Amino acid sequence: QSVLTQPPSASGTPGQRVTISCSGSSSNIGRYFVYWYQQLPGTAPKLLIYRNNQRPSGVPDRFSGSKSGTSASLAISGLRSEDEADYYCAAWDDSLSGWVFGGGTKLTVL
Amino acid sequence: EVQLVESGGGLVQPGGSLRLSCAASGFTLRSYWISWVRQAPGKGLEWVANIKQDGSEKNYVESVKGRFTISRDNAKNSMYLQMNSLRVEDTAVYYCAREAPESSGMDVWGQGTTVTVS
Repeated sequence: QSVLTQPPSASGTPGQRVTISCSGSSSNIGRYFVYWYQQLPGTAPKLLIYRNNQRPSGVPDRFSGSKSGTSASLAISGLRSEDEADYYCAAWDDSLSGWVFGGGTKLTVL
Repeated sequence: EVQLVESGGGLVQPGGSLRLSCAASGFTLRSYWISWVRQAPGKGLEWVANIKQDGSEKNYVESVKGRFTISRDNAKNSMYLQMNSLRVEDTAVYYCAREAPESSGMDVWGQGTTVTVS
């Protein structure tokens, strides 16, 4: 059972907007930045969002992140088939003195 | 090209040991915290350990404390994960990842090395 809670699956059709939620607590999301990672099938994870809502260079602006209190969300607009992947949220946790990840959300583009 | 390359994975019996290596190229490892993150077959990501630039601080997930040791050799631009008393549940792909400065996330990942405990 992961410290951060994500829905196991999400889906949408091409062009749609989908959001993925991530719920934590005061010792992680409530206190620290949230990060989002994308893992395409058979590949290593890739940083998608850092410091709650910042995109590394090369990440399309279709991807956006937000945080409020002890929850965060990732939004993907203009959904494309190549967005089909697993998405993980992460944050530092004070009480565990370590990084914690969500269980991951498998995004299917119908 | 900025790159991390893991090695050292393999098949080991329960109770055995393995030492994973992570070699950096295209950048100077000494400037970064580095993490190990693992992924069991069909499961999600789990952070395992990290180490400060000079090796003076190390953090571990509870399940590996006392069994795994993270270390680094900045002169060789490499870091390591010594894994002792391995358990079946340690079976996973192990990734090393660079933690970018100023809370900018794990921005560079290796391709992973597979550890099978059986």
